[in-house]
Amino acid sequence: KQEVTQIPAALSVPEGENLVLNCSFTDSAIYNLQWFRQDPGKGLTSLLLIQSSQREQTSGRLNASLDKSSGRSTLYIAASQPGDSATYLCAVLNQAGTALIFGKGTTLSVSS
Amino acid sequence: GAVVSQHPSWVICKSGTSVKIECRSLDFQATTMFWYRQFPKQSLMLMATSNEGSKATYEQGVEKDKFLINHASLTLSTLTVTSAHPEDSSFYICSARSRGNTIYFGEGSWLTVV
Repeated sequence: KQEVTQIPAALSVPEGENLVLNCSFTDSAIYNLQWFRQDPGKGLTSLLLIQSSQREQTSGRLNASLDKSSGRSTLYIAASQPGDSATYLCAVLNQAGTALIFGKGTTLSVSS
Repeated sequence: GAVVSQHPSWVICKSGTSVKIECRSLDFQATTMFWYRQFPKQSLMLMATSNEGSKATYEQGVEKDKFLINHASLTLSTLTVTSAHPEDSSFYICSARSRGNTIYFGEGSWLTVV
């Protein structure tokens, strides 16, 4: 059974720092991996999607990498801002596309 | 771009009543829809997966008679919480999978049972 783990569970940084969020999964047979952002009381916003054949995706200050063989993904946030404060979730879609499994998330707080 | 509409966003109901949450894919056909539940400060927990025209597949520990899922068409799935109790109060969110295997999420529904 696929398990997704995110480390750390919470992170507090001052504005301007570069940071890395980690995601690991136990079954490397995935179709894709997505990083989401969730603000308190709100739904999910998709940040980056990496297909299983890709190694990384970039969007603005965000860069996500995928090492399928080792079951790891990282989300790199450059020059963090207070507006980046949210919970970041990673999720993997199995090869059949029938199950999207989430990690427990990393709650990020960026202070000004 | 593709949009998934979830309705209602907020609902308060009395204990013992039933409440229905709708999930619609607005500009694509959703071959599969997923329903998730999220408790405070916890991650999303997959409740069930539904394919159009067939019965939903429930995850272990999820009561199928309490959480009725109907996927009547390629653009609509509904979750009905029957005989709701305060412990059912939670954030429910649906997602829809397009034919290209991209997953799109609804905005979620906050259910409060009083």
